[in-house]
Amino acid sequence: GAGVSQSPSNKVTEKGKDVELRCDPISGHTALYWYRQSLGQGLEFLIYFQGNSAPDKSGLPSDRFSAERTGGSVSTLTIQRTQQEDSAVYLCASSLGTGLALPQHFGDGTRLSIL
Amino acid sequence: GQQLNQSPQSMFIQEGEDVSMNCTSSSIFNTWLWYKQDPGEGPVLLIALYKAGELTSNGRLTAQFGITRKDSFLNISASIPSDVGIYFCAGWVGYGNKLVFGAGTILRVKS
Repeated sequence: GAGVSQSPSNKVTEKGKDVELRCDPISGHTALYWYRQSLGQGLEFLIYFQGNSAPDKSGLPSDRFSAERTGGSVSTLTIQRTQQEDSAVYLCASSLGTGLALPQHFGDGTRLSIL
Repeated sequence: GQQLNQSPQSMFIQEGEDVSMNCTSSSIFNTWLWYKQDPGEGPVLLIALYKAGELTSNGRLTAQFGITRKDSFLNISASIPSDVGIYFCAGWVGYGNKLVFGAGTILRVKS
């Protein structure tokens, strides 16, 4: 499809396991964002990629969280040694990256549940 | 840190009525955005506001960037059933790459 694609759509795992979440941005979009949405709350910024620049990791909540963006396209968010408080919907967004860097096109998210 | 207070938390209105929701902050924001999120989907950008005092429309939606740069409102005229969802305001302080989001307004429409 033409939109931002995220996989898996749902992930249930046991506390302490590692998880990988994937985001395929819209083709040609150089800016990519990860946000987290906890139940009943707004979105919380995690990380921002723009082209070949060093990512802005200022929103990552702990060193258990990391993200990569390979070849300027697909991104993977990894959470190591998951904790119950990591349960949330993880949303990826992309934009053209020109002008103001605002997340315009969000994927449908990965709903992560930690047992 | 910056916080956005969004109100009301939820509203239940009759089809055809006008709706108003707002977002306030103690901090100044240089850009205000309004998103709508349907169940199981990601947010969709509705309106972006870039200048204090700016009033922008998108169909039945109208949003304003408050003159103090600390607030914004969104109006929906003549609501219809497909307007149901969660509406989020978001602000950008003018530097960095982070948007600050409000907690959302849940809109339910009685047909």
